[in-house]
Amino acid sequence: GENVEQHPSTLSVQEGDSAVIKCTYSDSASNYFPWYKQELGKGPQLIIDIRSNVGEKKDQRIAVTLNKTAKHFSLHITETQPEDSAVYFCAATIDDKIIFGKGTRLHILP
Amino acid sequence: GAGVSQSPRYKVAKRGQDVALRCDPISGHVSLFWYQQALGQGPEFLTYFQNEAQLDKSGLPSDRFFAERPEGSVSTLKIQRTQQEDSAVYLCASSLAPPRGVLAGAREQYFGPGTRLTVT
Repeated sequence: GENVEQHPSTLSVQEGDSAVIKCTYSDSASNYFPWYKQELGKGPQLIIDIRSNVGEKKDQRIAVTLNKTAKHFSLHITETQPEDSAVYFCAATIDDKIIFGKGTRLHILP
Repeated sequence: GAGVSQSPRYKVAKRGQDVALRCDPISGHVSLFWYQQALGQGPEFLTYFQNEAQLDKSGLPSDRFFAERPEGSVSTLKIQRTQQEDSAVYLCASSLAPPRGVLAGAREQYFGPGTRLTVT
């Protein structure tokens, strides 16, 4: 089955700097890659997604890239702000089943 | 508009008790998913419904776990004879059918706040 690896598990960046989270997946049949942000006591919230027929997508300060050949995808957050502090999950979807990475706890330092 | 809602938000059960967790999906969403999230981990897939049909239950950890969605809207996840290892947050998500032309499987899932189950 599909396996999603996510790195790093914890990331601290200075406010205003950029943050990058990287993921790999194993099943080449995966065709949809959502990213979720989860705050304490809440469910995961979809922040951006990318489909397998696209290599890059941007939405304001957030961008995702996908390299299908290498089975890599990444989340980039620019100009980080305190409200970006949360746990971020990458995921790969095959046949409607989302397989999540283990998460990255992002700390934005003042 | 209203999102996915789940109840109860917190449940404490003694080992051996049965529990029932409810999910109200977004109105009109065809698909409904259950996930289990252990502390410090990512959510793990349990089961999936399209309307009232349970299409995939491969993630249910044992036959003590049972899910239903009899009328294609509200869903209930039932856990019989709870064990300590069942302690986790149980998340429900729903999604629309994909628009025409979108790759199969590429459906946005919207999550509820979860039910935190603690088995003592």
